[in-house]
This record gives sequence, C-alpha cells and structure tokens, in this order.
Amino acid sequence: EAGVTQFPSHSVIEKGQTVTLRCDPISGHDNLYWYRRVMGKEIKFLLHFVKESKQDESGMPNNRFLAERTGGTYSTLKVQPAELEDSGVYFCASSRAGIIYEQYFGPGTRLTVT
Amino acid sequence: RKEVEQDPGPFNVPEGATVAFNCTYSNSASQSFFWYRQDCRKEPKLLMSVYSSGNEDGRFTAQLNRASQYISLLIRDSKLSDSATYLCVVKRGGSEKLVFGKGTKLTVNP
Repeated sequence: EAGVTQFPSHSVIEKGQTVTLRCDPISGHDNLYWYRRVMGKEIKFLLHFVKESKQDESGMPNNRFLAERTGGTYSTLKVQPAELEDSGVYFCASSRAGIIYEQYFGPGTRLTVT
Repeated sequence: RKEVEQDPGPFNVPEGATVAFNCTYSNSASQSFFWYRQDCRKEPKLLMSVYSSGNEDGRFTAQLNRASQYISLLIRDSKLSDSATYLCVVKRGGSEKLVFGKGTKLTVNP
C-alpha cells in the first residue's frame, strides 16, 4: 500500500508570493489532515477533511491559508500571500473513517519564505 | 501553558541503557494517548498507543495516569536505532485532531 505523498518536498519563495502544497492520501482514506511545524515549536493541527468536507478548520492561522479537497481525493493547501512566519514543515496525514484509526503522515513539505 | 508538555531533553545514553520519558497534559477532556517517533527530517510515525492499564511492546512500555494527567514511555536495552525524537500526543474526546508535545530527542551512543 502506497503511503501519503506530498509535493513538493521543498519550496523556497519570497514574501508576498503564493505557494500551493499538495497531499495525496492513502487510497481509501476518507480523513485527511494538515499539520504544521514551525521552527522550535511543536507540530500543530491546521485542519481536517472528511472526504471533501471541512470537518474542523480551527487550526488555520488566518485567511491567507486556503485548503481544498475537491472530489475527496487529494488536497491542496494554498498560502497567499506568504509571510516570513509561514516558514516551516507542512505535514499531511490520512486515516480511515472512524475515530480509532491511526493517522499516517506524509514526509512533509519544507516551506521557506524569504 | 502548553496543552502537552514533555521533558525538554536531549537525552544521551549508552547502548543498553534504560531511558524514561515523561509527559503531562492539561486538558482533562483528552481521551486517547500516543507516543510517536520522528527521525531527523522525517515524518512522525506511531510508536504505540497508551492505555490506562499500561501496555508493553517489546522493549517499550507506556503508562498512563489519568488522575495525574501524566504519560510515560520507558525504553529498555536501548539500541542505536532508537535514536530519534519521541513525541507525546493526545487526542480529545470527540475530536480527531492530534495535539503534540514538542518532543524529546534521544541519542543512543555506542
């Protein structure tokens, strides 16, 4: 079974630019999550999709961040315009339907805003 | 105050040593508890879930004390391959979001 994949693995952009991160969950996983780790801090939840619906977006920092999951398959996370404090590692995770199932994490996208 | 607090570390131990990590959580609504392992520049991976009765998986033993809101992880007979950052993670009842501690870095030396 293929794992969670994320693209790109690294992205370096200038402040004010736009970046779109992509996550492909494990096939058949209805739940998809985005998390972020900024330097020196703990990994923090951003949002949770169940299929194409946003179940919980309480962790989204502000309206510069837009997440979508059209068709309930892959998801994108767009940051527009990027700020310096958006630098960090963005992880995507997926799990089967049901609260007891393990969340499997992707390798992350390392975003650097200069 | 952070919702999940861990020993700051780092821990440097020789091979074969026993090492213990501690974690406290502040939200009494927390229902599920985990230890994740994260290798350098890699993704977190589930090491083990933690149950009230305590649970063991080979050299790893996890304990939960709900009254004290305290979680522990014990690693016996440390191996070089145990070197990683160990993340204490909780999940509140009715929510699927994971709440992470900052992690404790372990280095096992030959």
